[in-house]
Amino acid sequence: GAVVSQHPSRVICKSGTSVKIECRSLDFQATTMFWYRQFPKQSLMLMATSNEGSKATYEQGVEKDKFLINHASLTLSTLTVTSAHPEDSSFYICSARQGDIQYFGAGTRLSVL
Amino acid sequence: RKEVEQDPGPFNVPEGATVAFNCTYSNSASQSFFWYRQDCRKEPKLLMSVYSSGNEDGRFTAQLNRASQYISLLIRDSKLSDSATYLCVVNAGGAGSYQLTFGKGTKLSVIP
Repeated sequence: GAVVSQHPSRVICKSGTSVKIECRSLDFQATTMFWYRQFPKQSLMLMATSNEGSKATYEQGVEKDKFLINHASLTLSTLTVTSAHPEDSSFYICSARQGDIQYFGAGTRLSVL
Repeated sequence: RKEVEQDPGPFNVPEGATVAFNCTYSNSASQSFFWYRQDCRKEPKLLMSVYSSGNEDGRFTAQLNRASQYISLLIRDSKLSDSATYLCVVNAGGAGSYQLTFGKGTKLSVIP
């Protein structure tokens, strides 16, 4: 299957700092990427759909000014968690769409102290 | 009614057992269907797509019943390595659209 790389895999930061997560499709071009969040023992929750060359589409309840998404090329989308707080600690996973299938990055575990 | 529903389990089965998971979806216009597996603290990985005629991949068999809006996954001869959470995933968008919707997952533990 297609390969999606997500970096970093683990971040520990202080409250109030911003954290940037990168998601790359390595062997295909993805006009659409997705950002999910997953809390322990919970299901995946879609945060936003990232569209190359246009604004991201955010799900209800997700603050677009807090979770900044940039999809500047067909192989790269970034998620920046601005002014992170302890309640933002979670597992963030990106995926890239190829046809009807989504291929996932390995996820970023964010811990905000 | 939730868009994609699964029995959360857990299913605890001995090695070698056959286990079946079920999933129902609410949108009759759904176009495509998948099973993903997710290991603890890892990302979901595509297990198999589900085709109308049913399909098999080794020990795994997937079935789709469009009339009943029901998808199943059968695992034969369970291995310890099959222990994971199995996610039923549906493209709930109608023709020409895309809305991948994930079930909450069914947890499987295969016991020695």
